[in-house]
Amino acid sequence: EVQLVESGGALVPPGGSLKLSCAASGFTFSSSWMSWVRQAPEKGLEWLANIKMDGTDTYYLDSVKGRFTISRDNGKNSLYLQMNSLRVDDTAVYYCVKGGGALDYWGQGTLVTVSS
Amino acid sequence: DIQMTQSPSSLSASVGDRVTITCRASQGIRNDLGWYQQKPGQAPKRLVHAASTLHSGVPSRFSGSGSGTEFTLTISSLQPEDFATYYCLQNNSHPRTFGQGTRVEI
Repeated sequence: EVQLVESGGALVPPGGSLKLSCAASGFTFSSSWMSWVRQAPEKGLEWLANIKMDGTDTYYLDSVKGRFTISRDNGKNSLYLQMNSLRVDDTAVYYCVKGGGALDYWGQGTLVTVSS
Repeated sequence: DIQMTQSPSSLSASVGDRVTITCRASQGIRNDLGWYQQKPGQAPKRLVHAASTLHSGVPSRFSGSGSGTEFTLTISSLQPEDFATYYCLQNNSHPRTFGQGTRVEI
């Protein structure tokens, strides 16, 4: 059974930083593209970034490029999202998702709140 | 960026109704489209990928069709557990983009 468990969500002030983690199990992590998707309160889904199996290719939504960094550790079956220069409008539930385009399995999400 | 326009934004239906949701892409995306269901307080779940291939375990009352720029998700006979919000997602190019969602309610 595919399991994706996000952690690291918290309340942070504007301008702050946060690193999200995602522990993956139930599939061959090192053979899968991985993605991050977020959902602001009462809003729709927004794709943020994805990363190739070996970490050599990454893609980002323009609005987070230069502020967010997606990375992975295949030895630990883990996906990460480093978020810097956080803004109030980054407040959302952040989902770790298996796949680079055909997003097939989703974690339950972790809440990031950016507020002073 | 490819824009995905979903319609309607919401609809009211009854158990047993046939429901159709449409997603239109701003440019051709072949069949690189998925459909997702999200219930309140839960993570999204994939229903369809490659426009018309049902995800494992998804009931056969769900079906997807289309290619190019026009896509549809059909629920042939709406069940109580189908009341949710549905999203399309294009995975033809970066950035990946979702439709704005369709809320299916009683």
